Amino acid sequence: DGGITQSPKYLFRKEGQNVTLSCEQNLNHDAMYWYRQDPGQGLRLIYYSQIVNDFQKGDIAEGYSVSREKKESFPLTVTSAQKNPTAFYLCASSPRQLVTDTQYFGPGTRLTVL
Amino acid sequence: SQQGEEDPQALSIQEGENATMNCSYKTSINNLQWYRQNSGRGLVHLILIRSNEREKHSGRLRVTLDTSKKSSSLLITASRAADTASYFCATALQGGSEKLVFGKGMKLTVNP
Repeated sequence: DGGITQSPKYLFRKEGQNVTLSCEQNLNHDAMYWYRQDPGQGLRLIYYSQIVNDFQKGDIAEGYSVSREKKESFPLTVTSAQKNPTAFYLCASSPRQLVTDTQYFGPGTRLTVL
Repeated sequence: SQQGEEDPQALSIQEGENATMNCSYKTSINNLQWYRQNSGRGLVHLILIRSNEREKHSGRLRVTLDTSKKSSSLLITASRAADTASYFCATALQGGSEKLVFGKGMKLTVNP
């Protein structure tokens, strides 16, 4: 099956800990994205990558870090510097290096800070 | 209003009725996209309409785009209970800061 997988589905973290969210795609898409969604809100872009070994900050990158060492993988680390990390995190990909393309989303990871 | 704002914020209809959602935006766009999100899930792309298109159909979906009014509408005909979800419009901005900007979404409830 082709698609985007995110793991884990639910994640609990203690304050002060870093945590890494996984995102993998087997669609052979060039671009990948991370969004944050808060209740009743739209999606806010955290980071995106149009090509391997390159990534760009989105609108709310502070307190987050990413890497893109492989085309199919784009992990997101939520660091202790992120003041309010409890949210629903969505990973997406698009076929070309064009951020205005149709985006294909994973099922999301719900992060809760205890 | 913000870039990509859906209206109404919530809509409740009976199965079989049509549902219309509107999206207004502020700046020039390359395209406008509609997505659906079921509760607790990822978004699913529904339809993309380019700035030089006025209307597009996909199954029971009809999207219109009026660039002079900076607005779009999504019509779902003969709604079903399974259409219950949140719907988002996303505007693809033109110019140097190309990105896809999502609205806050609107909640559609279709009652059986």
